[in-house]
Amino acid sequence: EAGVTQFPSHSVIEKGQTVTLRCDPISGHDNLYWYRRVMGKEIKFLLHFVKESKQDESGMPNNRFLAERTGGTYSTLKVQPAELEDSGVYFCASSPGYWTEAFFGQGTRLTVV
Amino acid sequence: GENVEQHPSTLSVQEGDSAVIKCTYSDSASNYFPWYKQELGKRPQLIIDIRSNVGEKKDQRIAVTLNKTAKHFSLHITETQPEDSAVYFCAAPGNAGNMLTFGGGTRLMVKP
Repeated sequence: EAGVTQFPSHSVIEKGQTVTLRCDPISGHDNLYWYRRVMGKEIKFLLHFVKESKQDESGMPNNRFLAERTGGTYSTLKVQPAELEDSGVYFCASSPGYWTEAFFGQGTRLTVV
Repeated sequence: GENVEQHPSTLSVQEGDSAVIKCTYSDSASNYFPWYKQELGKRPQLIIDIRSNVGEKKDQRIAVTLNKTAKHFSLHITETQPEDSAVYFCAAPGNAGNMLTFGGGTRLMVKP
């Protein structure tokens, strides 16, 4: 069974540019989460989808971040325009339900220069 | 929302010694407490979890204890080995259980 996959693994962009990150969750997992880890700090929650619906987006830092989950399958996270403080590792995770293991992708390392 | 505090932020032990990492949480309704291990450059992976109906769970050299009254839980690693070196994260869900709030992480270094 394929795990959670993320693309790209690395992205270096200039300040002001746009970047789109993609996450393919484990098939059948209704719950999809985006997290971010900045400079070796904690893993911070960004948002949570249940199928195609945004269940909780309280962690999204500002309106430069837009997440979608088309048809309840893969998800994208767009940053537009990117700022220097957006640099970090963006993780996607999926789970089949609440109060159960969340499976993480390998992350996308975003560097904004 | 849930608030999770994790200590220590770094921990250095000699190979063969034990390591203990502690976390506290704020939402008394939380009932699921996982621990994740993240090796350098890799994804976080679940190593053990505990639910609130038990006070302790073991898996070989790893154990987790939970004190719901005090709202804290701990990870215990015995007979540490160099491959245990990693960053460990505790987590807890809020009342809705819809997402995990992670602690700040503990960088464990096991010296051979």
